[in-house]
Amino acid sequence: DIQMTQSPSTLSASVGDRVTITCRASQTISTWLAWYQQKPGKAPKLLIYEASTLEGGVPSRFSGSGSGIEFTLTISSLQPDDFATYYCQQYYTFGKTFGQGTKLEIK
Amino acid sequence: QLVESGGGLVQPGRSLRLSCPTSGFTFSAYAMSWVRQSPGKGLEWVGLIRSKAFGATAEYGASVKGRFTISRDDSKSIAYLQMNSLKPEDTAIYYCAKSMTVPGSKYYFDYWGQGTLVTVSS
Repeated sequence: DIQMTQSPSTLSASVGDRVTITCRASQTISTWLAWYQQKPGKAPKLLIYEASTLEGGVPSRFSGSGSGIEFTLTISSLQPDDFATYYCQQYYTFGKTFGQGTKLEIK
Repeated sequence: QLVESGGGLVQPGRSLRLSCPTSGFTFSAYAMSWVRQSPGKGLEWVGLIRSKAFGATAEYGASVKGRFTISRDDSKSIAYLQMNSLKPEDTAIYYCAKSMTVPGSKYYFDYWGQGTLVTVSS
């Protein structure tokens, strides 16, 4: 199985900050990577697919980059609605597809 | 819209079937997936069923393979998750998700239901 490792596990930041979350795959996955946002008690929401393509309706302050084994999700200017847990998902192969999550907290 | 149902409390070793009725998209054209989340934990892919155009075949995660079965009824726009031989570690919120396909049998999840809680305990 491909292992997906996110860092950091927890991130404290303030409104207006620029933040970056990293997702590393244990082997190359090309650009077959998606990012999801999950708020407490809610289902995950797709933000980005194919590493850098923004899902419709997602604010442009979210961006994704990377290919191969290292990927990043960047929020250019944090808004109060952005405090949530973020997951990466590789869809290169079936199996253990999700990272362990990054909880973005208010500083 | 996706609305899971069928969750609840079940004893270890017993079975349960979850349903995911959908609306608002052409169900038959899409693969459907199930993803679960144990209380306070991360997301775990359970499995998916391809659309009929791709043979309506299913894939499963290692922890459920041989015990869980995913099926679909395109006439009713419903996806199902049949769970047999349930274990306490299967306790989780189970989400169904509409799955986008890219060439090479690769899938990500663009719409999710609200989830249904399955608790396996004696």
